[in-house]
Amino acid sequence: DAKTTQPTSMDCAEGRAANLPCNHSTISGNEYVYWYRQIHSQGPQYIIHGLKNNETNEMASLIITEDRKSSTLILPHATLRDTAVYYCIVSPRGNAGKSTFGDGTTLTVKP
Amino acid sequence: NAGVTQTPKFQVLKTGQSMTLQCAQDMNHNSMYWYRQDPGMGLRLIYYSASEGTTDKGEVPNGYNVSRLNKREFSLRLESAAPSQTSVYFCASSERWQSLYEQYFGPGTRLTVT
Repeated sequence: DAKTTQPTSMDCAEGRAANLPCNHSTISGNEYVYWYRQIHSQGPQYIIHGLKNNETNEMASLIITEDRKSSTLILPHATLRDTAVYYCIVSPRGNAGKSTFGDGTTLTVKP
Repeated sequence: NAGVTQTPKFQVLKTGQSMTLQCAQDMNHNSMYWYRQDPGMGLRLIYYSASEGTTDKGEVPNGYNVSRLNKREFSLRLESAAPSQTSVYFCASSERWQSLYEQYFGPGTRLTVT
């Protein structure tokens, strides 16, 4: 099962785009990239996922490199409420039992 | 809709005691999950239930048992609690079968074993 590498922490100015990188160089062809976040010890919250195409929803955009070995989560206009731990997870579809959340990136949005 | 509810919110146990953590969801989801989160770390999957009547081990199942009572409820039991089981326990559910897509999490149960 593919593992991910994320920076331990990042800062971002309020109103600016937050770009959170994730390395998953051993990802398999059937594994998706998922992003979750956890705000201050609450239960994690789903953000977005993708296989190989870039994806966008109301919360964020996900850019996956052509070789699928890395991805970037983009929060286009970060607010103070986006301060959280962000987890990048790779998982085969229909096999959540093989997924690992890892330690994530602590994003701090500053005024 | 309440989403995913967990009881209790907090619990302190002595080593060797047993207890059951309760989880219920009102979204008619097929799959349910139990995770633990140790201080400063990410979540680790303990057990999951892909559908009513089935359960499977996750990454860290030792010391735990689960019951999928019906489609709504999924309980986690500690038969003989140990200090190493001090953690925050999260229950989650998803509509899609056994998928990380849009898992909805409960507020967590904070368990301390002394």
